[in-house]
Amino acid sequence: DGGITQSPKYLFRKEGQNVTLSCEQNLNHDAMYWYRQDPGQGLRLIYYSQIVNDFQKGDIAEGYSVSREKKESFPLTVTSAQKNPTAFYLCASGDRVNYGYTFGSGTRLTVV
Amino acid sequence: RKEVEQDPGPFNVPEGATVAFNCTYSNSASQSFFWYRQDCRKEPKLLMSVYSSGNEDGRFTAQLNRASQYISLLIRDSKLSDSATYLCVVTNNQAGTALIFGKGTTLSVSS
Repeated sequence: DGGITQSPKYLFRKEGQNVTLSCEQNLNHDAMYWYRQDPGQGLRLIYYSQIVNDFQKGDIAEGYSVSREKKESFPLTVTSAQKNPTAFYLCASGDRVNYGYTFGSGTRLTVV
Repeated sequence: RKEVEQDPGPFNVPEGATVAFNCTYSNSASQSFFWYRQDCRKEPKLLMSVYSSGNEDGRFTAQLNRASQYISLLIRDSKLSDSATYLCVVTNNQAGTALIFGKGTTLSVSS
């Protein structure tokens, strides 16, 4: 079955640590996206990539980094520079933006 | 003004009720519109696209008014399983752009 897989489901980070969230898709989609969702808030765009080896900052890119070395993979690193990283992180992929996206099941990141 | 605005609710309705959600968007260049459903602590899932002519999928009807920059979702004969948050989503379809999400409207259907 085609789909988009995020791991881990839950992640705990100590202050000052970098952590990397995995996102893999086998839908053959060119575009991939990372969103962050805080309680009671909408989804906010962190980074997106329209094609391999290219990516753009979204609305809240500070404190995050990404890479897109393979079409199937778009990992997100939450760096120590991100001051408030506790949130629900959602990865999505899509063929064309006017077709909508498919989301992964998300990663819940908590700073301890 | 926020790009996509929705009444957060919650909307509390009995089973069988008809409920309508509204959404306004600020970018007149927006070209594609969607409703997503998000269950508690889960990822959003595409419920339906919204077309200018309006479209229906079973008990769900979506309408778009481009002149007023307004989108609606009507749910008829509400079921307990319809309880969720409904996200209004827009995009301008330009290369290099992404979907823009509203904060969502929460629906609770009770027996």
